[in-house]
Amino acid sequence: EVQLAESGGGSVQPGGSLRLSCAASGFTFSYYWMHWVRQAPGKGLVWVSRINIDGRRTTYADFVEGRFTISRDNGKNTLHLQMNSLRAEDTAVYYCVRRRPGNDDAFDIWGQGTMVTVSP
Amino acid sequence: SYELTQPPSVSVSPGQTASITCSGDRLGDKFTCWYQQKSGQSPVLIIYQDNKRPSGIPERFSGSNSGNTATLTISGTQPMDEADYYCQAWDTNVVFGGGTKLTVL
Repeated sequence: EVQLAESGGGSVQPGGSLRLSCAASGFTFSYYWMHWVRQAPGKGLVWVSRINIDGRRTTYADFVEGRFTISRDNGKNTLHLQMNSLRAEDTAVYYCVRRRPGNDDAFDIWGQGTMVTVSP
Repeated sequence: SYELTQPPSVSVSPGQTASITCSGDRLGDKFTCWYQQKSGQSPVLIIYQDNKRPSGIPERFSGSNSGNTATLTISGTQPMDEADYYCQAWDTNVVFGGGTKLTVL
């Protein structure tokens, strides 16, 4: 079964750091672009970051402002998101998502999400 | 930055047709996809490349995209279709619409 499983969420104080991980299974991880999408409580979906298949190309939403780093380990079928200088507005469920093959950015597989809470 | 606009809510009676719009500048020139998110669950892709359905998605879900508006249509809406629906496109980066809460009553 194709699956994505996030981990690493939790509660942290403003200015703190967290490292999210996403374990992929059931498909050839190294063939796919991967993304992170977040959803604040009661709010809509917001794109955060993406990484190409070999990890050499990364892109971030403007609000990241150099605070987050996306990476991947194709040998371990794992995606990461290192989040530094966290702010209260970063509080959200963070989803690891797989971009479907093709020339469009549609996400065909979503993880269950991991909750990040930033508060004093 | 590019923006996609959806109505906050849409209501439909069971068995009727629901239409959810997504508006953006020259959206018809881009591929649009749609996600369904039920309460407490992760989103599910239901339409990609404007009008294609992934395997396992019922035929009652369809999509179109022209001009400045993409539309998700649910024919013969069922109570199980009650959910939040999000459109998504790509400009310089991935962009989501604000979401539409579909109520079936």
